[in-house]
Amino acid sequence: IAGITQAPTSQILAAGRRMTLRCTQDMRHNAMYWYRQDLGLGLRLIHYSNTAGTTGKGEVPDGYSVSRANTDDFPLTLASAVPSQTSVYFCASSDGRASEQFFGPGTRLTVL
Amino acid sequence: EDQVTQSPEALRLQEGESSSLNCSYTVSGLRGLFWYRQDPGKGPEFLFTLYSAGEEKEKERLKATLTKKESFLHITAPKPEDSATYLCAVLLSSNTGKLIFGQGTTLQVKP
Repeated sequence: IAGITQAPTSQILAAGRRMTLRCTQDMRHNAMYWYRQDLGLGLRLIHYSNTAGTTGKGEVPDGYSVSRANTDDFPLTLASAVPSQTSVYFCASSDGRASEQFFGPGTRLTVL
Repeated sequence: EDQVTQSPEALRLQEGESSSLNCSYTVSGLRGLFWYRQDPGKGPEFLFTLYSAGEEKEKERLKATLTKKESFLHITAPKPEDSATYLCAVLLSSNTGKLIFGQGTTLQVKP
């Protein structure tokens, strides 16, 4: 079934540890995005990539990094996790910059 | 500052009781407006895209409309399975593909 997969589904992480959230899409979409969703704050864009090999900063990029080595994969890395990064993380993709974005099932991350 | 506001925050309806959700926006330039449905513990599910004032889209019991300052999601004769959080998001005309989301309206439809 075509779509977006994210891994892990959930994770508990000690503060200071490094963590990579994985995202893979099989729709051959050019653009991919990472959001975090927090109660009372809604969905906020962390980083985005309009095509393979390019990335850009969103609304809340500090503490996060991304890479886009190919069309299908868009990993999000927390170099040194802090408790304020406790959130639900969603990956999304779209066929073009003006097209609807399709979301993955999310990763629930808790940083202690 | 670009801003998207949804109201009400929460809405309780009886089955069959029609109502509307509001999404108002203040942005530098609108390229499109999207509606999503989100069930607990899941990712947002795409519903509609609206690109210009006066445009309307329909899907089953849902109808989305757009004006220059706001969008409405009309729910006609809702059923309990329509219970979810409904999100609207604005795509800016800056050509970056960035969406600005509202905080959502949580709808509960009671049988």
